[in-house]
Amino acid sequence: SQQGEEDPQALSIQEGENATMNCSYKTSINNLQWYRQNSGRGLVHLILIRSNEREKHSGRLRVTLDTSKKSSSLLITASRAADTASYFCATVPGGDYKLSFGAGTTVTVRA
Amino acid sequence: DVKVTQSSRYLVKRTGEKVFLECVQDMDHENMFWYRQDPGLGLRLIYFSYDVKMKEKGDIPEGYSVSREKKERFSLILESASTNQTSMYLCASNSPLPAADEQFFGPGTRLTVL
Repeated sequence: SQQGEEDPQALSIQEGENATMNCSYKTSINNLQWYRQNSGRGLVHLILIRSNEREKHSGRLRVTLDTSKKSSSLLITASRAADTASYFCATVPGGDYKLSFGAGTTVTVRA
Repeated sequence: DVKVTQSSRYLVKRTGEKVFLECVQDMDHENMFWYRQDPGLGLRLIYFSYDVKMKEKGDIPEGYSVSREKKERFSLILESASTNQTSMYLCASNSPLPAADEQFFGPGTRLTVL
């Protein structure tokens, strides 16, 4: 069953701008992961944040996790055309080992 | 680099046909997964295998079966394809410890059932 829910469903930004998307989930988690999917392709893992972490960085990506609000955000700074893709959050509910994916945020970066 | 390959990128089948989707990974991963992806629904887990010949149902196993005869290969079988099984199918794999960490995905198979 789906646990994560991304917001917004779609985002259009100018190259160089920052893109922020959010993920809310329902139950306690072991970790939360973000994946990227380019059109018609498989998913690529971007970053994992564990339940005892609050913020994590990887290159131009910044992820925050607020377990009290059961939410996470993914920030992409200085966006590029190549960042055009769908972004999915995936949670691992506490006591489980399977990923539960949200429906994704579609990001379009305009040149 | 981890590589997960799927036998076909695009597949067109007729209603009632038996369909095999193959997935192969080259990183000696114990865990392998089959998902289907539909617009607005994200990825939904069909079946999961944590070892050779071991399988576990996911969220939507109805109409599907799986086979894991070798560690590197995980097959998804549609016993009698139906139009509502038209979808993108994604295979993934990862190591068991920690079990819930990064999954590595194949490129996907877009299946159309006519």
